[in-house]
Amino acid sequence: QKEVEQNSGPLSVPEGAIASLNCTYSDRGSQSFFWYRQYSGKSPELIMSIYSNGDKEDGRFTAQLNKASQYVSLLIRDSQPSDSATYLCAVNSRSGGSNYKLTFGKGTLLTVNP
Amino acid sequence: GAGVSQTPSNKVTEKGKYVELRCDPISGHTALYWYRQSLGQGPEFLIYFQGTGAADDSGLPNDRFFAVRPEGSVSTLKIQRTERGDSAVYLCASSFGIRDTQETQYFGPGTRLLVL
Repeated sequence: QKEVEQNSGPLSVPEGAIASLNCTYSDRGSQSFFWYRQYSGKSPELIMSIYSNGDKEDGRFTAQLNKASQYVSLLIRDSQPSDSATYLCAVNSRSGGSNYKLTFGKGTLLTVNP
Repeated sequence: GAGVSQTPSNKVTEKGKYVELRCDPISGHTALYWYRQSLGQGPEFLIYFQGTGAADDSGLPNDRFFAVRPEGSVSTLKIQRTERGDSAVYLCASSFGIRDTQETQYFGPGTRLLVL
């Protein structure tokens, strides 16, 4: 059973602070890692993807991947109230055949306080 | 269209009834996925289509659930003899279908199903 684990939160940070979101996964064969943002009542929206060890930066967002530790994280710098949402960690593992499904964690609820 | 569309946006039905949920993927996307999201949970995979064929239906919970994509574009998720436990948001996603785990999946707005 492939699992993706996240702290459900809520994680509360003040405006302008760095928010740190963490995710661990069980399948060592996992190849691709995604962070989706989901506002209440809305569908998931991709904000970052990462495929190799190290850091990947895009604006205020930095994704970090450590395959040896089976750990992926998302840092949000200069957090804004509009960043308040649930952040979903998703992993894509190809385990034979045409298996390209995403396995999601439960999500971490982030609240940025003005 | 510009994005993945799903209809209806909301569906209320009674236990034991049959429902159909429709997904219209992004034009040109050959891969289509159905997920189910219960309250407080992440989306859970149901089925993946590559073109017209179901390449992976391992996430369908039981034989009451069935999905089709007859022309390789629009897909319909069908649920027979609905149960209260089927209540959830059903999400559809599509991607280019280049058969690569790095491929981005784009989600539709979802259909919120409530079984009374």
